Amino acid sequence: NAGVMQNPRHLVRRRGQEARLRCSPMKGHSHVYWYRQLPEEGLKFMVYLQKENIIDESGMPKERFSAEFPKEGPSILRIQQVVRGDSAAYFCASSPAGAGLGAQHFGDGTRLSIL
Amino acid sequence: EDQVTQSPEALRLQEGESSSLNCSYTVSGLRGLFWYRQDPGKGPEFLFTLYSAGEEKEKERLKATLTKKESFLHITAPKPEDSATYLCAAETGANNLFFGTGTRLTVIP
Repeated sequence: NAGVMQNPRHLVRRRGQEARLRCSPMKGHSHVYWYRQLPEEGLKFMVYLQKENIIDESGMPKERFSAEFPKEGPSILRIQQVVRGDSAAYFCASSPAGAGLGAQHFGDGTRLSIL
Repeated sequence: EDQVTQSPEALRLQEGESSSLNCSYTVSGLRGLFWYRQDPGKGPEFLFTLYSAGEEKEKERLKATLTKKESFLHITAPKPEDSATYLCAAETGANNLFFGTGTRLTVIP
């Protein structure tokens, strides 16, 4: 049973470009969470999604960032017009419906570097 | 404002030298206190959840305890393979995890 898969593992973008980060949840998991880990900081919650629904996006920056979890396919975190401050590790976690946060399984993250 | 503070930031132990890691929290409506292990280049790996003061949980050389203000992760007779960053996180009433910055543990053979 494959774990949470994130790709790419490393992504380099120039300022002003777009970054797309993908997350395939574990089989049977319908809830996806995105977190950002800045250097020397803890993981910060960004957004919580279920299939075709954004449940909580209170941690998402208001501009340039968006997330989706379509009926088919992976969840996507999209960052438009990237800036140097977007350089971070982005982690996705998934859990089954109704299982609570303790059942979250994390992927190994995407390291985003902005030149 | 919700806050989770871990100490120390880094800890070096000799193999077999027991110690404790601290996680102090100030959150509104704590629903659970989580401990994770994170290896370099990897995502957090779940260790424990504690729900109420006085609760304890154990797994191999690790034991987690919880009070109303802090949690401790006790490591008994650590081995080099226990070297990792240990994260604690509070589940708040907002239904998401609020993480500390972690304690980086190095166990020297």
